[in-house]
Amino acid sequence: SQQGEEDPQALSIQEGENATMNCSYKTSINNLQWYRQNSGRGLVHLILIRSNEREKHSGRLRVTLDTSKKSSSLLITASRAADTASYFCATDVTGGGNKLTFGTGTQLKVEL
Amino acid sequence: EAGVTQSPTHLIKTRGQQATLRCSPISGHTSVYWYQQALGLGLQFLLWYDEGEERNRGNFPPRFSGRQFPNYSSELNVNALELEDSALYLCASSLELASDEQYFGPGTRLTVT
Repeated sequence: SQQGEEDPQALSIQEGENATMNCSYKTSINNLQWYRQNSGRGLVHLILIRSNEREKHSGRLRVTLDTSKKSSSLLITASRAADTASYFCATDVTGGGNKLTFGTGTQLKVEL
Repeated sequence: EAGVTQSPTHLIKTRGQQATLRCSPISGHTSVYWYQQALGLGLQFLLWYDEGEERNRGNFPPRFSGRQFPNYSSELNVNALELEDSALYLCASSLELASDEQYFGPGTRLTVT
């Protein structure tokens, strides 16, 4: 079963708007990573946030982590058409032996 | 700096055959991971190799196996192919044993007919 559940499953917004995706997980983690996937190709690493961090920024990306609620969010500000992709959260579960457990993904469509 | 590379890009096999997929990690990375992305099943962890040793294995049958070579490249072998093995197989690499970013390659799309 999937460790992470992402919400929403799909999101359609206009260029320039912000996009927020949420991820919930079930067990304690070492870190949580966000990835982007375009049209069934390889995954692009976006950002890693460790369990002792609460917020992290990278360019137009902002990630938060709430370990008490076992949830994370990814905010993409000022979205562009090129941001259209599927976004996945992946957790490195404590004692899980470095394997990443992926969420179900959010399909983001940014329209012109 | 070159990223993770995988070959072949596409592979078409017949049920019962064997498939071999290859991965070269980012230079300096010693850990290699394999994941399967099958339609409807999402991304699932297959195997983790570090320093030539299998460190962790996902919930897959023994006909999924692999190895890591002294140059840290890796092979994934799938024996006795079944139709449901059709999927995108993704390889990732990371720096070392410690929990760290995993960087993915473009994947090999395996189709079993």
